[in-house]
Amino acid sequence: EAQVTQNPRYLITVTGKKLTVTCSQNMNHEYMSWYRQDPGLGLRQIYYSMNVEVTDKGDVPEGYKVSRKEKRNFPLILESPSPNQTSLYFCASSLKGGNNQPQHFGDGTRLSIL
Amino acid sequence: AQSVAQPEDQVNVAEGNPLTVKCTYSVSGNPYLFWYVQYPNRGLQFLLKYITGDNLVKGSYGFEAEFNKSQTSFHLKKPSALVSDSALYFCAVRDYNDYKLSFGAGTTVTVRA
Repeated sequence: EAQVTQNPRYLITVTGKKLTVTCSQNMNHEYMSWYRQDPGLGLRQIYYSMNVEVTDKGDVPEGYKVSRKEKRNFPLILESPSPNQTSLYFCASSLKGGNNQPQHFGDGTRLSIL
Repeated sequence: AQSVAQPEDQVNVAEGNPLTVKCTYSVSGNPYLFWYVQYPNRGLQFLLKYITGDNLVKGSYGFEAEFNKSQTSFHLKKPSALVSDSALYFCAVRDYNDYKLSFGAGTTVTVRA
Protein backbone atom coordinates (compact mmCIF):
# COMPACT_ATOMS: atom_id res chain seq x y z
CA GLU A 1 0.00 0.00 0.00
CA ALA A 2 1.29 3.44 -0.97
CA GLN A 3 1.82 5.46 2.16
CA VAL A 4 3.74 8.04 4.14
CA THR A 5 4.65 6.77 7.60
CA GLN A 6 5.50 9.01 10.51
CA ASN A 7 6.84 7.96 13.90
CA PRO A 8 6.07 8.50 16.65
CA ARG A 9 2.39 9.44 16.39
CA TYR A 10 2.39 11.03 19.81
CA LEU A 11 5.22 12.34 21.98
CA ILE A 12 5.35 14.29 25.22
CA THR A 13 8.80 15.54 26.14
CA VAL A 14 10.57 18.35 27.96
CA THR A 15 12.24 21.55 26.86
CA GLY A 16 15.76 21.08 25.51
CA LYS A 17 15.68 17.32 24.99
CA LYS A 18 16.61 16.60 21.38
CA LEU A 19 14.07 14.62 19.40
CA THR A 20 13.64 13.26 15.91
CA VAL A 21 10.40 12.56 14.07
CA THR A 22 10.90 10.07 11.29
CA CYS A 23 9.12 10.10 7.94
CA SER A 24 9.29 7.41 5.30
CA GLN A 25 7.49 7.00 1.97
CA ASN A 26 7.29 3.94 -0.26
CA MET A 27 6.19 5.64 -3.49
CA ASN A 28 9.65 6.60 -4.82
CA HIS A 29 8.69 10.27 -4.58
CA GLU A 30 11.36 12.88 -5.11
CA TYR A 31 9.66 15.71 -3.22
CA MET A 32 9.12 15.57 0.54
CA SER A 33 8.01 18.22 2.98
CA TRP A 34 7.26 18.91 6.65
CA TYR A 35 4.38 21.04 7.94
CA ARG A 36 3.07 22.06 11.31
CA GLN A 37 -0.63 22.53 11.91
CA ASP A 38 -1.84 24.99 14.52
CA PRO A 39 -5.45 26.06 15.23
CA GLY A 40 -6.46 29.06 13.19
CA LEU A 41 -3.22 29.04 11.20
CA GLY A 42 -3.73 26.06 8.93
CA LEU A 43 -0.61 24.24 7.79
CA ARG A 44 2.70 26.04 7.57
CA GLN A 45 5.63 24.61 5.67
CA ILE A 46 8.78 24.03 7.73
CA TYR A 47 11.23 22.51 5.23
CA TYR A 48 11.02 20.74 1.92
CA SER A 49 13.33 18.60 -0.17
CA MET A 50 13.42 18.33 -3.93
CA ASN A 51 15.58 15.21 -3.90
CA VAL A 52 18.38 13.45 -2.03
CA GLU A 53 20.78 15.95 -0.42
CA VAL A 54 18.62 18.90 -1.56
CA THR A 55 16.66 20.73 1.13
CA ASP A 56 15.21 24.21 1.43
CA LYS A 57 13.48 26.33 4.03
CA GLY A 58 9.75 26.80 4.11
CA ASP A 59 7.93 29.57 5.94
CA VAL A 60 8.74 28.55 9.54
CA PRO A 61 12.13 26.78 9.64
CA GLU A 62 13.47 28.28 12.88
CA GLY A 63 14.24 25.67 15.51
CA TYR A 64 14.10 22.73 13.09
CA LYS A 65 16.58 20.73 11.03
CA VAL A 66 16.07 18.15 8.33
CA SER A 67 18.20 15.78 6.30
CA ARG A 68 17.63 13.81 3.11
CA LYS A 69 20.29 11.13 2.86
CA GLU A 70 17.98 8.61 1.23
CA LYS A 71 15.10 9.15 -1.15
CA ARG A 72 12.51 7.46 1.05
CA ASN A 73 13.36 9.13 4.39
CA PHE A 74 13.06 12.72 5.55
CA PRO A 75 13.49 13.06 9.32
CA LEU A 76 12.58 16.23 11.23
CA ILE A 77 14.99 17.11 14.02
CA LEU A 78 14.33 19.41 16.96
CA GLU A 79 17.77 20.01 18.51
CA SER A 80 16.48 21.93 21.52
CA PRO A 81 12.69 21.79 21.61
CA SER A 82 10.74 24.61 23.20
CA PRO A 83 7.07 24.86 24.24
CA ASN A 84 6.21 26.98 21.17
CA GLN A 85 7.00 23.93 19.05
CA THR A 86 4.08 22.06 20.58
CA SER A 87 2.01 21.29 17.52
CA LEU A 88 0.68 18.69 15.11
CA TYR A 89 3.27 17.81 12.48
CA PHE A 90 2.71 16.32 9.04
CA CYS A 91 5.11 14.87 6.54
CA ALA A 92 4.12 14.77 2.88
CA SER A 93 5.58 13.55 -0.39
CA SER A 94 4.88 13.91 -4.10
CA LEU A 95 6.29 13.22 -7.51
CA LYS A 96 8.68 15.89 -8.61
CA GLY A 97 7.27 16.27 -12.11
CA GLY A 98 6.54 19.93 -11.92
CA ASN A 99 5.22 21.63 -8.83
CA ASN A 100 1.64 20.82 -9.80
CA GLN A 101 1.62 17.40 -8.17
CA PRO A 102 -0.68 16.77 -5.19
CA GLN A 103 0.95 15.66 -1.99
CA HIS A 104 0.42 12.47 -0.02
CA PHE A 105 0.31 13.07 3.72
CA GLY A 106 1.18 10.96 6.72
CA ASP A 107 -1.26 10.65 9.61
CA GLY A 108 0.55 13.21 11.73
CA THR A 109 2.70 13.41 14.87
CA ARG A 110 1.37 15.27 17.88
CA LEU A 111 4.25 16.78 19.85
CA SER A 112 3.87 18.28 23.31
CA ILE A 113 6.89 20.13 24.69
CA LEU A 114 6.62 20.83 28.41
CA ALA B 1 4.76 36.31 -1.32
CA GLN B 2 1.87 33.94 -1.75
CA SER B 3 -1.10 33.51 0.55
CA VAL B 4 -4.51 31.88 0.86
CA ALA B 5 -7.59 33.11 2.67
CA GLN B 6 -10.52 30.98 3.73
CA PRO B 7 -12.95 33.57 5.06
CA GLU B 8 -15.26 31.17 6.88
CA ASP B 9 -14.09 29.20 9.90
CA GLN B 10 -17.22 27.07 9.78
CA VAL B 11 -19.86 26.13 7.25
CA ASN B 12 -23.04 24.36 8.30
CA VAL B 13 -25.46 22.83 5.82
CA ALA B 14 -28.28 20.30 5.83
CA GLU B 15 -27.78 16.98 4.09
CA GLY B 16 -28.88 17.18 0.48
CA ASN B 17 -28.27 20.91 0.21
CA PRO B 18 -25.49 22.49 -1.84
CA LEU B 19 -22.16 23.01 -0.13
CA THR B 20 -19.72 25.83 -0.88
CA VAL B 21 -16.38 26.44 0.82
CA LYS B 22 -14.72 29.70 -0.15
CA CYS B 23 -11.07 30.34 -0.97
CA THR B 24 -9.20 33.35 -2.32
CA TYR B 25 -5.51 33.45 -3.10
CA SER B 26 -2.63 35.75 -3.85
CA VAL B 27 0.45 34.87 -5.92
CA SER B 28 2.82 36.89 -8.02
CA GLY B 29 2.66 34.58 -11.04
CA ASN B 30 0.22 31.95 -12.26
CA PRO B 31 -1.32 29.83 -9.50
CA TYR B 32 -1.49 26.12 -8.98
CA LEU B 33 -4.46 25.57 -6.64
CA PHE B 34 -5.40 22.58 -4.53
CA TRP B 35 -8.14 21.44 -2.17
CA TYR B 36 -7.50 18.93 0.60
CA VAL B 37 -9.79 17.38 3.20
CA GLN B 38 -8.83 16.27 6.70
CA TYR B 39 -10.81 13.82 8.80
CA PRO B 40 -10.21 13.55 12.58
CA ASN B 41 -6.84 12.07 13.54
CA ARG B 42 -5.82 11.68 9.91
CA GLY B 43 -3.56 13.41 7.45
CA LEU B 44 -4.81 15.52 4.58
CA GLN B 45 -6.31 13.86 1.54
CA PHE B 46 -6.15 15.39 -1.92
CA LEU B 47 -9.52 16.33 -3.48
CA LEU B 48 -8.73 18.25 -6.64
CA LYS B 49 -6.39 20.71 -8.30
CA TYR B 50 -6.37 23.49 -10.87
CA ILE B 51 -3.30 23.80 -13.07
CA THR B 52 -4.51 25.29 -16.32
CA GLY B 53 -7.33 24.96 -18.82
CA ASP B 54 -10.99 24.54 -17.91
CA ASN B 55 -11.99 26.75 -15.02
CA LEU B 56 -14.31 24.11 -13.58
CA VAL B 57 -12.36 21.27 -12.03
CA LYS B 58 -13.95 18.00 -10.93
CA GLY B 59 -12.46 15.94 -8.15
CA SER B 60 -13.03 13.10 -5.73
CA TYR B 61 -16.29 12.29 -3.89
CA GLY B 62 -18.42 14.51 -6.14
CA PHE B 63 -16.57 17.73 -5.31
CA GLU B 64 -15.77 20.40 -7.88
CA ALA B 65 -14.14 23.81 -7.77
CA GLU B 66 -14.30 26.86 -9.98
CA PHE B 67 -11.23 28.91 -10.75
CA ASN B 68 -11.94 32.62 -11.20
CA LYS B 69 -8.86 34.56 -12.19
CA SER B 70 -10.42 38.03 -12.00
CA GLN B 71 -11.67 37.41 -8.46
CA THR B 72 -8.60 35.33 -7.50
CA SER B 73 -10.91 32.70 -6.09
CA PHE B 74 -11.11 28.92 -6.10
CA HIS B 75 -14.30 27.96 -4.28
CA LEU B 76 -15.04 24.32 -3.52
CA LYS B 77 -18.56 23.07 -4.24
CA LYS B 78 -20.70 20.01 -3.95
CA PRO B 79 -24.26 19.99 -5.32
CA SER B 80 -25.69 17.72 -2.63
CA ALA B 81 -23.85 17.39 0.68
CA LEU B 82 -23.65 14.18 2.71
CA VAL B 83 -23.20 13.78 6.46
CA SER B 84 -19.95 12.00 5.66
CA ASP B 85 -18.63 15.23 4.07
CA SER B 86 -18.27 16.70 7.57
CA ALA B 87 -14.55 17.42 7.90
CA LEU B 88 -11.90 20.15 7.81
CA TYR B 89 -11.17 21.53 4.34
CA PHE B 90 -7.99 23.28 3.26
CA CYS B 91 -7.26 25.35 0.19
CA ALA B 92 -3.61 25.61 -0.91
CA VAL B 93 -1.67 27.55 -3.55
CA ARG B 94 1.70 27.41 -5.26
CA ASP B 95 3.20 29.93 -7.60
CA TYR B 96 3.92 28.15 -10.90
CA ASN B 97 7.70 28.72 -10.53
CA ASP B 98 8.03 27.86 -6.84
CA TYR B 99 7.87 24.67 -4.78
CA LYS B 100 6.65 26.27 -1.57
CA LEU B 101 3.03 25.44 -0.78
CA SER B 102 0.84 27.82 1.24
CA PHE B 103 -2.35 26.68 2.99
CA GLY B 104 -5.37 28.55 4.22
CA ALA B 105 -6.44 28.33 7.85
CA GLY B 106 -9.07 25.73 7.06
CA THR B 107 -12.87 25.59 7.08
CA THR B 108 -14.78 23.14 9.24
CA VAL B 109 -17.78 21.76 7.39
CA THR B 110 -20.65 20.25 9.34
CA VAL B 111 -23.45 18.53 7.44
CA ARG B 112 -26.48 17.79 9.61
CA ALA B 113 -28.83 14.93 8.88
